[in-house]
Amino acid sequence: AQKVTQAQTEISVVEKEDVTLDCVYETRDTTYYLFWYKQPPSGELVFLIRRNSFDEQNEISGRYSWNFQKSTSSFNFTITASQVVDSAVYFCALSASYYKLSFGAGTTVTVRA
Amino acid sequence: EAQVTQNPRYLITVTGKKLTVTCSQNMNHEYMSWYRQDPGLGLRQIYYSMNVEVTDKGDVPEGYKVSRKEKRNFPLILESPSPNQTSLYFCASSLLDSNGAYEQYFGPGTRLTVT
Repeated sequence: AQKVTQAQTEISVVEKEDVTLDCVYETRDTTYYLFWYKQPPSGELVFLIRRNSFDEQNEISGRYSWNFQKSTSSFNFTITASQVVDSAVYFCALSASYYKLSFGAGTTVTVRA
Repeated sequence: EAQVTQNPRYLITVTGKKLTVTCSQNMNHEYMSWYRQDPGLGLRQIYYSMNVEVTDKGDVPEGYKVSRKEKRNFPLILESPSPNQTSLYFCASSLLDSNGAYEQYFGPGTRLTVT
């Protein structure tokens, strides 16, 4: 069984603050993929990143960065210098089979001007 | 443009009135899925299909049916909708690439309200 836990339900920050979203996962599979998706108020799902279980390198993409730690089964996401446009629901997801994603409950990020 | 389309995008219906939400992809993907999104629960898989005429239950299949008669289409059928099926529904298709990794593409979502 696979499980993804996003313990933070809501986070509210002021613009330019950094915000870190936690994601902890459980799986018995040795090969799996981890994802982050953004869901803006318009409702669509926007793919942010995919990471496979053999690649523990951290990644940075502009103001976004991801910290994958297999030892703690965590895949945390940081937004640096947040902006109002970052306001959205963010989902962490896990997949060990190519036909299914297991999603966390999501974290709602509100960035105030 | 590679995309997954869903129709309708918004639907308000009454209990018991059969409805179908269509899903179509133009990427020749073998794998397709339906998810529902509910507050505090994230997205949960309803059904998936690994190819034409091959479908299987996901985590929350009760009250839903699917079919996969063509590779590009994967409709979601609610034979007798109930208010607890009010939700945001996403269709997805995925491709397994030569490296064993896969890309998953989501449709824009269908917001269903059952009164």
